[in-house]
Amino acid sequence: RKEVEQDPGPFNVPEGATVAFNCTYSNSASQSFFWYRQDCRKEPKLLMSVYSSGNEDGRFTAQLNRASQYISLLIRDSKLSDSATYLCVVPRGVWNTDKLIFGTGTRLQVFP
Amino acid sequence: EAQVTQNPRYLITVTGKKLTVTCSQNMNHEYMSWYRQDPGLGLRQIYYSMNVEVTDKGDVPEGYKVSRKEKRNFPLILESPSPNQTSLYFCASLHRYDQGLAGYNEQFFGPGTRLTVL
Repeated sequence: RKEVEQDPGPFNVPEGATVAFNCTYSNSASQSFFWYRQDCRKEPKLLMSVYSSGNEDGRFTAQLNRASQYISLLIRDSKLSDSATYLCVVPRGVWNTDKLIFGTGTRLQVFP
Repeated sequence: EAQVTQNPRYLITVTGKKLTVTCSQNMNHEYMSWYRQDPGLGLRQIYYSMNVEVTDKGDVPEGYKVSRKEKRNFPLILESPSPNQTSLYFCASLHRYDQGLAGYNEQFFGPGTRLTVL
């Protein structure tokens, strides 16, 4: 299994739709997980962090399933401005949050 | 404004001509890192630095050098660039929130440097 694996997409959804992305990881000892957002060829920016079962911030919900070793990102009521690539990030170690492994990203395209 | 800056933003060079990409942050972060991003491969860490005068290899360090003489600056040096180093490069600094044992952190990225080596 790859250290971090994401479905590259693209996910093409209409405005107002709910969309979910999954990310699987291989390091069962990881404690913290992150979702970053990257607009086309711009720098990634932190969207959400997850270090318990889940986290919610407005229309965005991140959930963690340790047994199956995946994290998910749910976006409700999609906006055109949500169009971007979403990067899953997992630490390589246990408490070692220095070495962060980035997934290749899932591209989301929201259309009118 | 809290930020990470990189220069140059775009560079086209030729094989073997030494170059330096500068990176500077104004957030007083101890930890800084360099990544390269290539299609289908995602962001891969080149080098990182946990503090002044402390640097270590990431996953793809071959062909690169770094230095950390002061906290705010972390330049990336390509002594003899080759075409396989054509890529999009990001510098990042890391803020540790350290909420209990979760080790929550946030990386702040520079705007990127698009390098082409002919």
